[in-house]
Amino acid sequence: DGGITQSPKYLFRKEGQNVTLSCEQNLNHDAMYWYRQDPGQGLRLIYYSQIVNDFQKGDIAEGYSVSREKKESFPLTVTSAQKNPTAFYLCASNPDTGRRNQPQHFGDGTRLSIL
Amino acid sequence: EDKVVQSPLSLVVHEGDTVTLNCSYEVTNFRSLLWYKQEKKAPTFLFMLTSSGIEKKSGRLSSILDKKELFSILNITATQTGDSAVYLCAVTNAGGTSYGKLTFGQGTILTVHP
Repeated sequence: DGGITQSPKYLFRKEGQNVTLSCEQNLNHDAMYWYRQDPGQGLRLIYYSQIVNDFQKGDIAEGYSVSREKKESFPLTVTSAQKNPTAFYLCASNPDTGRRNQPQHFGDGTRLSIL
Repeated sequence: EDKVVQSPLSLVVHEGDTVTLNCSYEVTNFRSLLWYKQEKKAPTFLFMLTSSGIEKKSGRLSSILDKKELFSILNITATQTGDSAVYLCAVTNAGGTSYGKLTFGQGTILTVHP
């Protein structure tokens, strides 16, 4: 079945450690997005990519990095510079945003906690 | 900066009640407004609205957009316990490098008691 797969579902990080969250889609979508969700704050955009080998900062990019080497993959690295990384991370994708106005569809998320 | 405000932040009702969730927005270059339902994990898509005054309907859920007053409502009639969730409103920007960006509101937590 086509969809968006995020892994792992739960992740624990020690202080000062970088971790990478995986997001893979087999929907042949051009655009991919990473959001962070904290209680009572809705979703906030971290990074997004509209095409392979290109990405833009969202509203809260500090302490995060991404890459988009393949169309189907958009991994997010939470670096040690991110001082409050405990949150629920959601990946989304949608088709070419230039020609079709399509909704974003989401993966099941990764819950990151600090030990 | 694009902004979305939802109200109320939380709502508790009994089965069979009708609820109205509100979403107001400010966006530099409006493309569309979307409603999502989030239970435990991924938000699931409900509606996309691009034109004023045209109601979108799916079963007991319906939504409408007012582009002049910059708001949308989501109605749920004859609520059921399975409607309990966080309802998220978001707007899409159509401008430049922000093209396709979604800005979300805080969400409305709906609890439906039997």
